[in-house]
Amino acid sequence: KAGVTQTPRYLIKTRGQQVTLSCSPISGHRSVSWYQQTPGQGLQFLFEYFSETQRNKGNFPGRFSGRQFSNSRSEMNVSTLELGDSALYLCASSSGQGAPDTQYFGPGTRLTVL
Amino acid sequence: QKEVEQNSGPLSVPEGAIASLNCTYSDRGSQSFFWYRQYSGKSPELIMFIYSNGDKEDGRFTAQLNKASQYVSLLIRDSQPSDSATYLCAVNAPDGQNFVFGPGTRLSVLP
Repeated sequence: KAGVTQTPRYLIKTRGQQVTLSCSPISGHRSVSWYQQTPGQGLQFLFEYFSETQRNKGNFPGRFSGRQFSNSRSEMNVSTLELGDSALYLCASSSGQGAPDTQYFGPGTRLTVL
Repeated sequence: QKEVEQNSGPLSVPEGAIASLNCTYSDRGSQSFFWYRQYSGKSPELIMFIYSNGDKEDGRFTAQLNKASQYVSLLIRDSQPSDSATYLCAVNAPDGQNFVFGPGTRLSVLP
């Protein structure tokens, strides 16, 4: 089975711009979770989508949004970028059901905001 | 507020020694527990999970779970320099719909 893929792998934007990141989960997985990772804050949970519905949400401002398509692919959007949004953005896929529901990570998108 | 705590390290051990990584969690109803390894600049990769009290072994790795003490640990036997990484503990909420990660422990295995 192919793993989790994320595009693009690297992105450079300037303050005020917006960005869209994409994540394709493992085949058959219906849950996609997004995380932000910075050296100071560790892995911070953004949100989780399951069957096209946001099921869980972390404590991030509304500038961070996401969606999931019928094929389980997910996109994350950040509007009005700030310098502090520079981070590694990781998505993780899982079946979304049962326990343990193991998450598998993609390679991440490294976003730099100038 | 669900919390997962780990010593940030760095934890330094000599090559061939046993490395012991610890994690505590606050939600007593948590059911499943995961250990991930993350090399610098890379994404986390799953090492193993555990959901029953006791020990679970997989090669050089042993996960230990004590739900009464809300404590989970990872032992790495015969540590190698290639084990040098950050180890993340993650806890799956009772409803199975939420993961909470600890801050990670940085392990350094010295040749």
